[in-house]
Amino acid sequence: QVQLQESGPGLVNPSQTLSLTCSVSGGSISRSGYYWSWIRQLPGKGLEWIGNIYYIGNTYYNPSLESRTTMSVDTSRNQFSLKLSSVTAADTAVYYCARYCNGDSCYSRFDYWGQGTLVTVSS
Amino acid sequence: QSALTQPASVSGSPGQSITISCTGTSSDVGSYNLVSWYQQHPGKAPKLMIYEVSERPSGVSSRFSGSKFGNTASLTIAGLQAEDEAHYYCCSPASISTLVFGGGTKLTVL
Repeated sequence: QVQLQESGPGLVNPSQTLSLTCSVSGGSISRSGYYWSWIRQLPGKGLEWIGNIYYIGNTYYNPSLESRTTMSVDTSRNQFSLKLSSVTAADTAVYYCARYCNGDSCYSRFDYWGQGTLVTVSS
Repeated sequence: QSALTQPASVSGSPGQSITISCTGTSSDVGSYNLVSWYQQHPGKAPKLMIYEVSERPSGVSSRFSGSKFGNTASLTIAGLQAEDEAHYYCCSPASISTLVFGGGTKLTVL
């Protein structure tokens, strides 16, 4: 059973960089056909896809956030990370990491999710 | 890319059936038979309910079904139960490398 766990500061100052890490257990982050995703949910709002990363480092970002988004992967630690720069109060949200299955055996679905972590942008 | 359009809310009585629509464009929903649906209870992470328009993961009740016609996908829940009360989100590829969610629908079981 794959499990994902987000970690990182719950409070970030405006204009600074939000940094989160997702630790994956119960399966290898290097498994072919699986991408690793960040999704956020603004308070009382819907889900917003932030981006995907493949274990070899290929990244795919939401065009609306691309200029501020950097994702990276550490296969030795079975972790992947998100950095969102120049944050404002509008970036306050619950941030989820998830596994996105899109390979030979499955197509386009988020099949495992972390529990989510609330990040508040405030001074 | 714009969010897919879902009704803000739907409701039904126990035992009834409801359908939630998810409308996109010819660039997203209309281009890919890859719409997925997620159920989210308050304070919980989303859960995959339907993938590839109409496929159910193991463990998901057969009361949940999906379909698509043109640029609109639909999620139908038959035999409504109290535990089905939640928010539901659709998701589709918007291009070969990007994804888009719907705005979400709150299902109330009366």
